[in-house]
Amino acid sequence: GQQVMQIPQYQHVQEGEDFTTYCNSSTTLSNIQWYKQRPGGHPVFLIQLVKSGEVKKQKRLTFQFGEAKKNSSLHITATQTTDVGTYFCAGQSFGNEKLTFGTGTRLTIIP
Amino acid sequence: DTEVTQTPKHLVMGMTNKKSLKCEQHMGHRAMYWYKQKAKKPPELMFVYSYEKLSINESVPSRFSPECPNSSLLNLHLHALQPEDSALYLCASSRIRAGGNEQFFGPGTRLTVL
Repeated sequence: GQQVMQIPQYQHVQEGEDFTTYCNSSTTLSNIQWYKQRPGGHPVFLIQLVKSGEVKKQKRLTFQFGEAKKNSSLHITATQTTDVGTYFCAGQSFGNEKLTFGTGTRLTIIP
Repeated sequence: DTEVTQTPKHLVMGMTNKKSLKCEQHMGHRAMYWYKQKAKKPPELMFVYSYEKLSINESVPSRFSPECPNSSLLNLHLHALQPEDSALYLCASSRIRAGGNEQFFGPGTRLTVL
């Protein structure tokens, strides 16, 4: 079945440093979504990417979808303590309702 | 209202008990989902309902029985669970359209099976 891997598993950064998490799918995706889950919380939708090579920005967050639609990345510029949490990518294959979550990257910030 | 509610927040049950988890949304979403999430792991899909009909069952053991009484409600009936079933159970909902849809998650029910 479809597998979605993320690296790194954990990332500790100093506040103000940048952070990037990478997502790779074993199959070509129709779209990829990103979610953030704060400690003790539930996943919250951040963004959806649909087009090959698509890049979207939300303030300090930049999301990319690979040309082959099998990988994606999330980059956070100048991290803040509010960025703490686990970031999941989630991929959907063509004609499939199922969203497969990546393994997640847990971000901790050192003040 | 962009909220998905889940009750109860916490549940402790014995292996012989029968209990139910409830989920409700009033966003007019016609797809609803149950996920299971273990600590430090991603959510794992269990069931999907589309237009109140079960469309995906990810080979979930029969001790978990989903029910969708109407377009706003989703239940998960639990019977004869095992300690390894202890986890956070998340409900989510979304619109149904081609090209993918953001899922709105509820706060979850933290289940402990003794």
